[in-house]
Amino acid sequence: QVTLKESGPGILQPSQTLSLTCSFSGFSLSTYGMCVGWIRQSSGKGLEWLANIWWNDDKYYNPSLKNRLTISKDTSNNQAFLKITNMDTADTATYYCAYNNFDYWGQGVMVTVSS
Amino acid sequence: DIQMTQSPSLLSASVGDRVTLSCKASQNIYKYLNWYQQKLGEAPKLLIYYTNSLQTGIPSRFSGSGSGTDFTLTISSLQPEDVATYYCYQYNSGYTFGAGTKLELK
Repeated sequence: QVTLKESGPGILQPSQTLSLTCSFSGFSLSTYGMCVGWIRQSSGKGLEWLANIWWNDDKYYNPSLKNRLTISKDTSNNQAFLKITNMDTADTATYYCAYNNFDYWGQGVMVTVSS
Repeated sequence: DIQMTQSPSLLSASVGDRVTLSCKASQNIYKYLNWYQQKLGEAPKLLIYYTNSLQTGIPSRFSGSGSGTDFTLTISSLQPEDVATYYCYQYNSGYTFGAGTKLELK
């Protein structure tokens, strides 16, 4: 059974860097073809894909945010990570991680950017 | 970038109705399209993958069709638990979600 769970700081100030962790079970990111992605959703808004990381360490970023995003993984501990630099109030959202082609999602973690 | 346009943005229907939701891609995405259901306060849940394949555990009243640029999600007989927002998502080139269709009971 695939499960994922996001964790993060909850609140941070503008210009700070957001660090998110996705802890998962039921699959290994060292297995051929596996992928973890990050998606966010602002309050009352739609879904925005952020980044994907693959089993072979290939990484893909949303072009509109690419300069601010860094995705990485720790296959030994079944975790994936996302960093977003220079956070702004517009980045306030619920952040999700998801398995493979977004087949399964974590419950999401709310991140608020406020001074 | 591929844009995904969903219509309508809001749909009101009665229990038992056949409901059709539309999703249009700005360019050919072949069949690389998924549909998700998101209930209030929950994470999105995969309903349909690769246009018309039903995800395990999803009721058979849900079905998908289409190819190229035009896609449809159909609920054959609307149930109260189907009240949610539905999103389409393309993965042919990059990854893009539609803005969603909010489905409510009439």
